Amino acid sequence: AQSVTQLGSHVSVSEGALVLLRCNYSSSVPPYLFWYVQYPNQGLQLLLKYTSAATLVKGINGFEAEFKKSETSFHLTKPSAHMSDAAEYFCAVSVKYRNFGNEKLTFGTGTRLTIIP
Amino acid sequence: DAGVIQSPRHEVTEMGQEVTLRCKPISGHDYLFWYRQTMMRGLELLIYFNNNVPIDDSGMPEDRFSAKMPNASFSTLKIQPSEPRDSAVYFCASSPQGPFNEKLFFGSGTQLSVL
Repeated sequence: AQSVTQLGSHVSVSEGALVLLRCNYSSSVPPYLFWYVQYPNQGLQLLLKYTSAATLVKGINGFEAEFKKSETSFHLTKPSAHMSDAAEYFCAVSVKYRNFGNEKLTFGTGTRLTIIP
Repeated sequence: DAGVIQSPRHEVTEMGQEVTLRCKPISGHDYLFWYRQTMMRGLELLIYFNNNVPIDDSGMPEDRFSAKMPNASFSTLKIQPSEPRDSAVYFCASSPQGPFNEKLFFGSGTQLSVL
């Protein structure tokens, strides 16, 4: 079965600083990887996804993530944090088996990002 | 479209009481999912429906939990009797594709507190 581990349940960065949220995955077959964002009192929204095309994936709001197979990682980054980036971020993994379509989306436990003015 | 609509937004109840959470998916979406979010376990899939039929309920924690989808525009998640450890945020999501892909549209969730 596949899984994801998010390192750090809380991350604080200063406004304008680099944002780095870590995600490592475990999967026996090539995975599909996703980052979701959850703003206060809202449901999750898809930020970006990796589906075996380019290893560097660009998403909304200036976020990007790089798939590194050798490190089994899919870390989320943004060069310059903005106050509006304060939210909870979830990494998720799904795998596709040839005959059975996608396995279910498995989420990490989330990382709460706080932006310091 | 108004998106996935969940009610109530907040529910506070006493241990032993029945709790019913409601969800209206986006029109035309064939898949509906119920998730539970806690600090310790993150986001967990409880059950999902395809065309109103429950497909996988392996994530439902106990027999105290039940979910129904009587028609394409309405689903309920019921906990009877409720316990303090059921306190969590419960999300409903719908998808036009499935069963599992990134095109999930989430509701705003129901914050459940069981005292």
